[in-house]
Amino acid sequence: ILNVEQSPQSLHVQEGDSTNFTCSFPSSNFYALHWYRWETAKSPEALFVMTLNGDEKKKGRISATLNTKEGYSYLYIKGSQPEDSATYLCAFIDYKLSFGAGTTVTVRA
Amino acid sequence: EAGVAQSPRYKIIEKRQSVAFWCNPISGHATLYWYQQILGQGPKLLIQFQNNGVVDDSQLPKDRFSAERLKGVDSTLKIQPAKLEDSAVYLCASSSLAGGTGELFFGEGSRLTVL
Repeated sequence: ILNVEQSPQSLHVQEGDSTNFTCSFPSSNFYALHWYRWETAKSPEALFVMTLNGDEKKKGRISATLNTKEGYSYLYIKGSQPEDSATYLCAFIDYKLSFGAGTTVTVRA
Repeated sequence: EAGVAQSPRYKIIEKRQSVAFWCNPISGHATLYWYQQILGQGPKLLIQFQNNGVVDDSQLPKDRFSAERLKGVDSTLKIQPAKLEDSAVYLCASSSLAGGTGELFFGEGSRLTVL
């Protein structure tokens, strides 16, 4: 079983502040990395699918970077809003897809 | 486009009883996944189907869990008999691409409580 780790486990952010958190994964046999956002009482939804070392992707105020050689990805939220409150999951793919435990973000108004 | 449908949303049973969950993926998606998500942990893959064939069921507790995807469309996941540690959210997801290159589309999940 692969070790996909996300840190921190949870964080609280003031509205308007920016934040970031990490997904760490094995650096060997990399195929792809996914980021998902899971809001309470909703379905997890895909944010990014990243496949190339050095990839940077952006969707609105959320962006992600990928370093496959050292085995990490960062997710950034710029100018956090209450609607950004959710659990953010990363998933590492070599020959199977393995999820981390998630980072739960709470944005305080 | 209709999303992934799951039912029931919530189920409470006593240990040693049985339960079944149903999933209808997005039309045309050949790959279907069942995940178990225990509170505080990441989703754990139970089984992956490609059309009606099993790709990976290495983490499915086969003594009590079973899953099928007849005709390569909708799928059922059954637990019999249930144990306390089976309390979790069971997520179904589908994808148009195999191998993890395509994003997964998830249902809202079925929350199981075993008493």
